[in-house]
Amino acid sequence: EVQLVQSGAEVKKPGESLKISCKGSGYRFTNYWIGWVRQMPGKGLEWMGIIYPGDSDTRYSPSFQGQVTISADKSISTAYLQWSSLKASDTAMYYCARRSGFGSSPSDYWGQGTLVTVSS
Amino acid sequence: DIQMTQSPSSLSASVGDRVTITCRASQSISSYLNWYQQKPGKAPRLLIYAASSLQSGVPSRFSGSGSGTDFTLTISSLQPEDFATYYCQQSYSSPHFTFGPGTKVDIK
Repeated sequence: EVQLVQSGAEVKKPGESLKISCKGSGYRFTNYWIGWVRQMPGKGLEWMGIIYPGDSDTRYSPSFQGQVTISADKSISTAYLQWSSLKASDTAMYYCARRSGFGSSPSDYWGQGTLVTVSS
Repeated sequence: DIQMTQSPSSLSASVGDRVTITCRASQSISSYLNWYQQKPGKAPRLLIYAASSLQSGVPSRFSGSGSGTDFTLTISSLQPEDFATYYCQQSYSSPHFTFGPGTKVDIK
């Protein structure tokens, strides 16, 4: 069974750093792109960027370039999303999602989400 | 960037109603259009990919159509479990796989 399991909720202060994780299982982790999606409170879905764990090829949506870092450790089938200096506006639910290899390559499996709260 | 719009932004419907949601891309995306359902507090769920292909396990009352810039998601007979927010997404333009703003379907 394909699963993406994300790390738990985080409460941080502005200026702090953070790295959240997404562990894949039930499939060959290196063969599928993993994307990250932001959902701010009460808002819609925003695509942040994507990584191919097989070779760590990483691509960012323009709005998120330079704001976050996406990485992966294929030895433990885990993708990461990190911030070097959080802002209150980073408060959101973050989802990882596997990009399938069929059709229009939709995101067919999703993690359960990691809630990040940034508050002084 | 490819911009996605959806209409309506919300709708009220009754169980058994036929519901249609429209998604429009700012430029042609061929059939690289996906539909997701999201319920409160839950991760999105893939319903339709490649504009009209039903994801495994999704009820057949869901269907999608369209190509180019205009797409439609139809629920043929709305069920209680279908009250949710629906998002379209283009997967044509890497890496910015833009979502539409969402359509909330609630109970009339």
